Amino acid sequence: GAGVSQSPSNKVTEKGKDVELRCDPISGHTALYWYRQSLGQGLEFLIYFQGNSAPDKSGLPSDRFSAERTGGSVSTLTIQRTQQEDSAVYLCASSLYDRVVDEQYFGPGTRLTVT
Amino acid sequence: EDKVVQSPLSLVVHEGDTVTLNCSYEVTNFRSLLWYKQEKKAPTFLFMLTSSGIEKKSGRLSSILDKKELSSILNITATQTGDSAIYLCAVGRPLASNYQLIWGAGTKLIIKP
Repeated sequence: GAGVSQSPSNKVTEKGKDVELRCDPISGHTALYWYRQSLGQGLEFLIYFQGNSAPDKSGLPSDRFSAERTGGSVSTLTIQRTQQEDSAVYLCASSLYDRVVDEQYFGPGTRLTVT
Repeated sequence: EDKVVQSPLSLVVHEGDTVTLNCSYEVTNFRSLLWYKQEKKAPTFLFMLTSSGIEKKSGRLSSILDKKELSSILNITATQTGDSAIYLCAVGRPLASNYQLIWGAGTKLIIKP
């Protein structure tokens, strides 16, 4: 079956431009997560969507970052006025929300380079 | 503050060696501990350990959860160059009506031929 997909796989942008990253979770998964991973670093939680509940935005590093999830499925992460420190791999994951089963399935990621 | 700490940060061994990776945690309302392998961009799931399943094994990989010591180890026996990767540990806990994974920084494992 189809896994989590992300697009684009690579994005090079100039400092100050806005970018949109897309995530298609596994069909039926109610939870969706965005993470980023800078070179040599661990995963950094950004935002979490669960069903119709208000998203947990506690990991967003600044107000330049925003995300939405339309129809409980596809999600878009938007970074406005990109900075060089935004360069990282952005990973999306989804899970079939259950308080016992916590496994998250990851997409291939989007490598963002801000020049 | 909740945290997950992995050690060592990096490890270089020769093919055929056995390695043990460590993960310790301080997380309120612990529910599960997960191990992932990250080779390129996306981590892939290895094991999930909970109070009802504290030991898992798959081929040359095995993992044990020690709830008393608040830690877990990931063992890889007879290592192969294909085992080279970053190994990530994460601890899951419920958070109000949401769910949260707290991630360690990972252990970078390099297997030399």
